[in-house]
Amino acid sequence: NAGVTQTPKFRVLKTGQSMTLLCAQDMNHEYMYWYRQDPGMGLRLIHYSVGEGTTAKGEVPDGYNVSRLKKQNFLLGLESAAPSQTSVYFCASSRQGAYNEQFFGPGTRLTVL
Amino acid sequence: AQKVTQAQTEISVVEKEDVTLDCVYETRDTTYYLFWYKQPPSGELVFLIRRNSFDEQNEISGRYSWNFQKSTSSFNFTITASQVVDSAVYFCALTREANSKLTFGKGITLSVRP
Repeated sequence: NAGVTQTPKFRVLKTGQSMTLLCAQDMNHEYMYWYRQDPGMGLRLIHYSVGEGTTAKGEVPDGYNVSRLKKQNFLLGLESAAPSQTSVYFCASSRQGAYNEQFFGPGTRLTVL
Repeated sequence: AQKVTQAQTEISVVEKEDVTLDCVYETRDTTYYLFWYKQPPSGELVFLIRRNSFDEQNEISGRYSWNFQKSTSSFNFTITASQVVDSAVYFCALTREANSKLTFGKGITLSVRP
């Protein structure tokens, strides 16, 4: 059991470039989440999904898009990266309902120059 | 609206000291869930505990204990006889039943010095 994995672990982008972060889970969880973590801000929810083919906006969705084409994968896209998107991104998954424990991936450190 | 406040931002203690991390929450719901997560220097978040609003019993797990008090809307976390391995960022979080999202506090950085 790998749990929740994230690809890549590190990335440096130039302003305006695009990229996709991949999250995969092997626990058959219904719910998946993308967070960003910034110093002094805690974790803020970007987008989440309550099942295959569904996505919803979180607290800070602007500048990001997501897709959940397969139950085990949740992709986070940046179409035109900005320096304000420099952050550490975490993916998480859980059984149905946010009241269940969330399992987190190792994080992706993204720097936008 | 839900809100979690972790007023302490950084705490530094010497090994073997006891330390309490405070968490105050706001919600209008009667059914809700509270969590603590630990983020060690390696970066990955680890689940520590979940409590629902109907269970006010204190929880003890080894050196860790949690004090849930609805009267003061607090869910505090105490580490007894702290160790260097306890050095981490600790997050308190809240969700309501049938919700799809967790609301996290901003985290408390705990440093335990040998």
